Amino acid sequence: AQSVTQLGSHVSVSEGALVLLRCNYSSSVPPYLFWYVQYPNQGLQLLLKYTTGATLVKGINGFEAEFKKSETSFHLTKPSAHMSDAAEYFCAVSDRSGGSNYKLTFGKGTLLTVNP
Amino acid sequence: ETGVTQTPRHLVMGMTNKKSLKCEQHLGHNAMYWYKQSAKKPLELMFVYNFKEQTENNSVPSRFSPECPNSSHLFLHLHTLQPEDSALYLCASSPAGTTNTGELFFGEGSRLTVL
Repeated sequence: AQSVTQLGSHVSVSEGALVLLRCNYSSSVPPYLFWYVQYPNQGLQLLLKYTTGATLVKGINGFEAEFKKSETSFHLTKPSAHMSDAAEYFCAVSDRSGGSNYKLTFGKGTLLTVNP
Repeated sequence: ETGVTQTPRHLVMGMTNKKSLKCEQHLGHNAMYWYKQSAKKPLELMFVYNFKEQTENNSVPSRFSPECPNSSHLFLHLHTLQPEDSALYLCASSPAGTTNTGELFFGEGSRLTVL
């Protein structure tokens, strides 16, 4: 069974500061990893994903994440926070052992607040 | 048109009402999903459809009844709901088969309030 742990349900940063949202996963097989963002009253939008290849993945809006197998982590970073980054962020893992469908397992989410 | 469209965006219903949520995807996908998102709880997978066939029912109460007439449309029929069913209901789609990496494409959700 796979699982996702997001450390910190709420992270607050100042505008211009580094954003670091932590995600650790467990999976019995090499995983696919995702970060989604949810703005208020909206659905989830894919920020970035890791499937194979380069372990440093770049996404939209200046975010990136690094897959570290030895640490079973996939932390999300952005060098300089912007007010528009305020949202809830979800880490998710899917495994490749399924048949025609893969189930995503989501973390509980981290609410990012950006202070002026 | 946006990839995954959900209607209505907001719905208020009494416990004795019957209503339906609708989801339509324009991405050519063959798998569709219903998720429930409640405050302070993780996303809960409710139902999965592959090529119009239900492949997963995650122990959802029978007052929620899904319908998938074709690969582009998904409905969630609601009847005799309880106040604790108030939540954001999210529809998602994905490719089925070997092109599937698990990535889901979400609609904007239907905010349901049960009085």
